[in-house]
Amino acid sequence: DAGITQSPRHKVTETGTPVTLRCHQTENHRYMYWYRQDPGHGLRLIHYSYGVKDTDKGEVSDGYSVSRSKTEDFLLTLESATSSQTSVYFCAISERTGNTEAFFGQGTRLTVV
Amino acid sequence: GESVGLHLPTLSVQEGDNSIINCAYSNSASDYFIWYKQESGKGPQFIIDIRSNMDKRQGQRVTVLLNKTVKHLSLQIAATQPGDSAVYFCAEIVGAGSYQLTFGKGTKLSVIP
Repeated sequence: DAGITQSPRHKVTETGTPVTLRCHQTENHRYMYWYRQDPGHGLRLIHYSYGVKDTDKGEVSDGYSVSRSKTEDFLLTLESATSSQTSVYFCAISERTGNTEAFFGQGTRLTVV
Repeated sequence: GESVGLHLPTLSVQEGDNSIINCAYSNSASDYFIWYKQESGKGPQFIIDIRSNMDKRQGQRVTVLLNKTVKHLSLQIAATQPGDSAVYFCAEIVGAGSYQLTFGKGTKLSVIP
């Protein structure tokens, strides 16, 4: 398995609170991604990073921000969590753009109550 | 809207039989199509990909077929085993320099021993 660690693996938080999810990789891959997975929607891209301090928005970025201060870490922050952000969040990494072989982490199950 | 979709949400096959999972796409500009496997509680795992200028690609026990005329993609699994039970997603990348994988909603494959 690719060296990707997501933390925490499970979290329950209250509406309106900030939440930060962490993705840590040991593969030294340049590209990192955050997806969310919801029933009936498959996986949808939230944000991605193409290098340290280089990030951009994906398909469903509203309500989320990211930061990448080191190659190995990509943080996803929910500024003020809402119930619609209850989901399973996956981090992924890849060596290059257009690289179909992205490696995914184990996921973080977030519940906003 | 959803560019990549699936014909069937569930598929049950007898162990040892061949499985065929189908996927329709709508974006003629897609450059790559990819199949991912997701086991319960885990992140998606790359299976095989195919470039848009190809019709067929084979891997170990898997074959992907691409029919650009009808915008249809299929994954064939030979001699299906219990370990093949999972949700299978098709995904696409538009543009060689693209960061974004667009996923379909998934098909659940159940293998009957």
